[in-house]
Amino acid sequence: EPEVTQTPSHQVTQMGQEVILRCVPISNHLYFYWYRQILGQKVEFLVSFYNNEISEKSEIFDDQFSVERPDGSNFTLKIRSTKLEDSAMYFCASSPGDLGFFGQGTRLTVV
Amino acid sequence: SQQGEEDPQALSIQEGENATMNCSYKTSINNLQWYRQNSGRGLVHLILIRSNEREKHSGRLRVTLDTSKKSSSLLITASRAADTASYFCATRGGKLIFGQGTELSVKP
Repeated sequence: EPEVTQTPSHQVTQMGQEVILRCVPISNHLYFYWYRQILGQKVEFLVSFYNNEISEKSEIFDDQFSVERPDGSNFTLKIRSTKLEDSAMYFCASSPGDLGFFGQGTRLTVV
Repeated sequence: SQQGEEDPQALSIQEGENATMNCSYKTSINNLQWYRQNSGRGLVHLILIRSNEREKHSGRLRVTLDTSKKSSSLLITASRAADTASYFCATRGGKLIFGQGTELSVKP
């Protein structure tokens, strides 16, 4: 069964560094998302991407964040100048329309 | 905001019992979805119910939707230890908005 894959599964980075989280969505899906889950808290929407552009973003998704679909398969989330509070699980999802298909997540730890 | 809020926040039951989780939301929706998350893992979609549907079944899962009350319930019948997980409702107007989740613990 097709699945969304995310790499790496765990990333440790120093405060102030830039990280790129990678996702390979399901190939025939049209909508792509990034979500974040801080430990013990709910899953929070960051950004949605459709037709090669951001369709919606939350107030969390400020200038520190950017997304890209550099080729036909990858979907990346870049976090510039990471802060301690960016430590969380980051989930990528893709959707043909309604249902979201989520990856296993990347655990980002900022030290 | 279109936010699903689940209750209870935590539920502990014995294997074989039924588990009922509730979700309330604030604004109009296209559909409501239930997801499951095993500890530290990704979310797996369980079931979707559209705004014009009142009840839906899938295996041991039964979902109801009351749009007049802006609420939904997820019933898991004959629970198993493997059902232990966090369960989230998510509402969809455009993006998916998740609630805080219900942590279900099923004891053997």
